[in-house]
Amino acid sequence: SAVISQKPSRDICQRGTSLTIQCQVDSQVTMMFWYRQQPGQSLTLIATANQGSEATYESGFVIDKFPISRPNLTFSTLTVSNMSPEDSSIYLCSVEGWNGYTFGSGTRLTVV
Amino acid sequence: AQTVTQSQPEMSVQEAETVTLSCTYDTSESNYYLFWYKQPPSRQMILVIRQEAYKQQNATENRFSVNFQKAAKSFSLKISDSQLGDTAMYFCAFFTGNQFYFGTGTSLTVIP
Repeated sequence: SAVISQKPSRDICQRGTSLTIQCQVDSQVTMMFWYRQQPGQSLTLIATANQGSEATYESGFVIDKFPISRPNLTFSTLTVSNMSPEDSSIYLCSVEGWNGYTFGSGTRLTVV
Repeated sequence: AQTVTQSQPEMSVQEAETVTLSCTYDTSESNYYLFWYKQPPSRQMILVIRQEAYKQQNATENRFSVNFQKAAKSFSLKISDSQLGDTAMYFCAFFTGNQFYFGTGTSLTVIP
């Protein structure tokens, strides 16, 4: 299965600033997914990112707050913009390859 | 290296029967959390059950229970009285407090 390198693994950020999370995949994949996990909750799908098209956002998530880039078939970024303490979560990327799903190791974000 | 292995890519079970999904993992950490997630076609990741590694008692959540064997690094999920709505992908994962590690998933089909 694909291998994903997700960076940063954790960060502490000031409110009002932005953080960009990167996911690099070792093979070309069509679909990449971004999730958020708030403490004690399920992983919530933020958006689906396909190369060459705008990301598709789930209900409750908007592009202005979570802009996503997908410049090629092996890379994607998620930016958490104008952060508030409510954005403190773990963010994960995931890809769907020919033999199943692979997940990044997560980015633990704390907003102070 | 920290890994999660789900050795059963696909499984099926008759409605109302019991099925067990296997998961093994490898880690040098002593404190961690274990999870089972259910992924329906919407690609949301629904938390089914979680287990703290320091707890010896197996977690139970309604029809879902786990058999956690820390020494063997095994964390299987038992679904009792299977229902058609249980049809989904199931992912096993562990969280070290900093990073997530996921298995590749087991596709479960409940047969009427």
